[in-house]
Amino acid sequence: GQSLEQPSEVTAVEGAIVQINCTYQTSGFYGLSWYQQHDGGAPTFLSYNGLDGLEETGRFSSFLSRSDSYGYLLLQELQMKDSASYFCAVRDRTDKLIFGTGTRLQVFP
Amino acid sequence: EAGVTQFPSHSVIEKGQTVTLRCDPISGHDNLYWYRRVMGKEIKFLLHFVKESKQDESGMPNNRFLAERTGGTYSTLKVQPAELEDSGVYFCASSHLLATRQKGQFFGPGTRLTVL
Repeated sequence: GQSLEQPSEVTAVEGAIVQINCTYQTSGFYGLSWYQQHDGGAPTFLSYNGLDGLEETGRFSSFLSRSDSYGYLLLQELQMKDSASYFCAVRDRTDKLIFGTGTRLQVFP
Repeated sequence: EAGVTQFPSHSVIEKGQTVTLRCDPISGHDNLYWYRRVMGKEIKFLLHFVKESKQDESGMPNNRFLAERTGGTYSTLKVQPAELEDSGVYFCASSHLLATRQKGQFFGPGTRLTVL
């Protein structure tokens, strides 16, 4: 089967750094993406890793290790507006996304 | 640039009825995807169109679900007859044919379907 595991919930305070891990087991792998979803909103693309290593986009960074079937999303200088659900998703060869279970991030003042 | 739009935003129907969901992708996006999130579970892929052709419909749950994309523009997803387990949020996403990896898929706000 195919599965992507993430912690269900993470809490942190404003200004802190938080890391959301994702381990995957899929039959095909063509890259790992991260999406943010606020309650009632549309999932929004954050980052993509096609190769091993770190990708940085402003306060957000994403890391991939294909040999370990592992990736993470790093959020720095947390703000209240970062409270949302975060999903990792594997892209397969047909470009469809296989989503993880989602991590709910709560940022406290 | 207008984003992906979906209609309706909410739909409440009774078991056995028919519902049609509509998705308007971003103009110029050849890829169109349907996903579904059932309460408490992960977002799951339903099917993928490239222009008007079905590229992959491996995620469609059963033959009560029918998706179309006539003319390669908007898409509809019909559920007939609806069952209780069809309740959930149905998302549509689109992407440019050559830019999917770097820019990801653009999701619509979803249609929340409740089957009573």
